[in-house]
Amino acid sequence: NAGVTQTPKFQVLKTGQSMTLQCAQDMNHEYMSWYRQDPGMGLRLIHYSVGAGITDQGEVPNGYNVSRSTTEDFPLRLLSAAPSQTSVYFCASSYGLSHEQYFGPGTRLTVT
Amino acid sequence: AQRVTQPEKLLSVFKGAPVELKCNYSYSGSPELFWYVQYSRQRLQLLLRHISRESIKGFTADLNKGETSFHLKKPFAQEEDSAMYYCALRALVGGKLIFGQGTELSVKP
Repeated sequence: NAGVTQTPKFQVLKTGQSMTLQCAQDMNHEYMSWYRQDPGMGLRLIHYSVGAGITDQGEVPNGYNVSRSTTEDFPLRLLSAAPSQTSVYFCASSYGLSHEQYFGPGTRLTVT
Repeated sequence: AQRVTQPEKLLSVFKGAPVELKCNYSYSGSPELFWYVQYSRQRLQLLLRHISRESIKGFTADLNKGETSFHLKKPFAQEEDSAMYYCALRALVGGKLIFGQGTELSVKP
């Protein structure tokens, strides 16, 4: 049982490049979410999903896209990276809205 | 608006001293409140939730609805308590988790 996994661990992008951060969980969790962690800002919700085929915006969705074609995977896409997207990104999952969220190890992204 | 505020960015105490990490929230309703902890080079994990009213690693937190607070307390801090602590609120409608800014706890020997 690997829990929540994220790839890559580190990534450096140039402004304007696109990329996808991968997130997978093997716990059959319905609820998955993406956060970004910035100093002094805590964790802010980007997008979340309550099940396959269903996604919704969080607090800071601009510049990010998500999809949920399977229960296991919840990729986060940056269409045109900007320096303001330099951050640490965490994926999390839980059985449902009222259950404990399990976090992945994070992806540290730098946009130059 | 739903908001969680942790007024202290950094809290530094000596080993054996009492610790209180402050958390205030604003929410029009009955929220669920949590404390998450992130030790160095480890992933974020749940420390405790107000519903369970339990003590984890010597930490307790009491929900004070009058003061809209959920402060985390420990009577005698240990060096291994050094970590980043996040207070979080979950709205009962929608279920989104809203985090505070985090407080870094440093326990010195």
